[in-house]
Amino acid sequence: AQSVAQPEDQVNVAEGNPLTVKCTYSVSGNPYLFWYVQYPNRGLQFLLKYITGDNLVKGSYGFEAEFNKSQTSFHLKKPSALVSDSALYFCAVRDITDKLIFGTGTRLQVFP
Amino acid sequence: DVKVTQSSRYLVKRTGEKVFLECVQDMDHENMFWYRQDPGLGLRLIYFSYDVKMKEKGDIPEGYSVSREKKERFSLILESASTNQTSMYLCASSLLASGNYNEQFFGPGTRLTVL
Repeated sequence: AQSVAQPEDQVNVAEGNPLTVKCTYSVSGNPYLFWYVQYPNRGLQFLLKYITGDNLVKGSYGFEAEFNKSQTSFHLKKPSALVSDSALYFCAVRDITDKLIFGTGTRLQVFP
Repeated sequence: DVKVTQSSRYLVKRTGEKVFLECVQDMDHENMFWYRQDPGLGLRLIYFSYDVKMKEKGDIPEGYSVSREKKERFSLILESASTNQTSMYLCASSLLASGNYNEQFFGPGTRLTVL
């Protein structure tokens, strides 16, 4: 069965430092992977997706994600964190029936 | 920009009441979804719909039903609300996949409290 795991409940990083939010997946067939962000009291916003092609995917707000097939990972990255990046981040994978399966979420806290 | 709206941001209901959560999208999307979000559990799919008058059960459909009479509107119904249905409910929509997979666009959510 398709699944996605976010091993960290919370990630803390200082403003200006690089950040990584981890995601690993398990799928049969080619993986279609997504990252979403949720700001307080808001719905989810789409950040980026990997369907095929380059392993490094660029998305909104300066975020990017690296697809690694051998490690079955799709980690979200940003070279320089902002306090305004503090939010809840969800990784998701499409299953064979075209539904999205979400991870449990990682709370990113960026300190000034 | 795609806009997905939900009828209420906050809702308080009593146990046993029938509850309607409404979702409307303005981009002519075929697919619509209802999720509930609980801390530590992420998003779980309740029901989804690929077309008008069509519905499919998600992972946790028990205690819920849905209605899609028009393409732009997808309603979630709690037939008899219970305290364990206290949660954040999120509606989403997307274009029908056609050789690619389109991202889902989410509404702001409805925080439902059942007393």
